[in-house]
Amino acid sequence: AQSVTQPDIHITVSEGASLELRCNYSYGATPYLFWYVQSPGQGLQLLLKYFSGDTLVQGIKGFEAEFKRSQSSFNLRKPSVHWSDAAEYFCAVVDGGSQGNLIFGKGTKLSVKP
Amino acid sequence: GAGVSQSPSNKVTEKGKDVELRCDPISGHTALYWYRQSLGQGLEFLIYFQGNSAPDKSGLPSDRFSAERTGGSVSTLTIQRTQQEDSAVYLCASSLAGASYNEQFFGPGTRLTVL
Repeated sequence: AQSVTQPDIHITVSEGASLELRCNYSYGATPYLFWYVQSPGQGLQLLLKYFSGDTLVQGIKGFEAEFKRSQSSFNLRKPSVHWSDAAEYFCAVVDGGSQGNLIFGKGTKLSVKP
Repeated sequence: GAGVSQSPSNKVTEKGKDVELRCDPISGHTALYWYRQSLGQGLEFLIYFQGNSAPDKSGLPSDRFSAERTGGSVSTLTIQRTQQEDSAVYLCASSLAGASYNEQFFGPGTRLTVL
């Protein structure tokens, strides 16, 4: 069965520091991958997505992610974190054979120190 | 334009009561999804609608859960005889059509607490 693993439950970084959130997936074919962000009391907002082609994808708010098939990873990065980036981040993969149903990781909560 | 809206934003109910949760998708979006976000299980898919039909109900956890969609728009998720384990945030999402490559737009969710 497909799955998504986010190994880090909680990460704290200093404002201005770089960020990398890890995501590993389990899927036989080429996956459709997403990163979503959820601020407190808010719904999920799409940061970026990967379907095919260039393995480095750019998203909103200065985020990027790199698809590495050999490592089954899709890590999210940002060169310089802002205090407003504090939120929970979810990696997701489309359930193969479905009409877009998403399988989510457990999420990584990001705290930003001033 | 307006995004996905859900009501109520919060619902507190007593064990054994029935509840209805509403989702208003983005106008023109034919696909609608329900997910549940709970502390123990994370985010889980519940049901998918294409128009008024629900071709995929595989995520509904029990027969106490049902959903309908009318007019290709508003959807209602009904939980009968609520249990404490039903406490969660219920999220609705819509997309242009049911396809893997279409972005899903999420509503703010309904937080359900079963006492």
